Amino acid sequence: AQRVTQPEKLLSVFKGAPVELKCNYSYSGSPELFWYVQYSRQRLQLLLRHISRESIKGFTADLNKGETSFHLKKPFAQEEDSAMYYCALGGYSGNTPLVFGKGTRLSVIA
Amino acid sequence: EAQVTQNPRYLITVTGKKLTVTCSQNMNHEYMSWYRQDPGLGLRQIYYSMNVEVTDKGDVPEGYKVSRKEKRNFPLILESPSPNQTSLYFCASWSGNSPLHFGNGTRLTVT
Repeated sequence: AQRVTQPEKLLSVFKGAPVELKCNYSYSGSPELFWYVQYSRQRLQLLLRHISRESIKGFTADLNKGETSFHLKKPFAQEEDSAMYYCALGGYSGNTPLVFGKGTRLSVIA
Repeated sequence: EAQVTQNPRYLITVTGKKLTVTCSQNMNHEYMSWYRQDPGLGLRQIYYSMNVEVTDKGDVPEGYKVSRKEKRNFPLILESPSPNQTSLYFCASWSGNSPLHFGNGTRLTVT
């Protein structure tokens, strides 16, 4: 069964400090991993997908199949990064509904 | 502009009074889904649809109904709402390997 675990409900860091939001997954097939972000009072929007291997707003995430992880990282946190972050898992064919983790609220303190 | 439109944005109702939350997408996506978002529980899938007239239960379908008569629309129906259905609801659509496009959300309060 598909499962996504985000162990931290809340993560508080100081501005300029490194950030790592953890995500572990369980999936028997070939996974496709995503990070979605939800800023205050806004809709969820895609931040990253692992197949793109790109950096968005300074964030990166690497799929580690051995550790079944897809942690989100940023070297220097900014106040505008404060938001709710969701890790999501889908089948590579694209027709499997995504399973979301419970989310981690990132709070960047000035 | 590509978008997923949900209506209404806010709804306050009483227990037992049937309601419908509409969702429409203009991207010709095959797949659509409804989620509810609750503090500490994250996003949980209610129902999803792989195509017209094809729907399936998600993780928390109890108390909800959906229909997919047309490709663009995927309404969420609460036949007899209860207070435990007070939540923030999101509709989403996608196609193939595209990421999900989410609506702006509907905040429902059932008293």
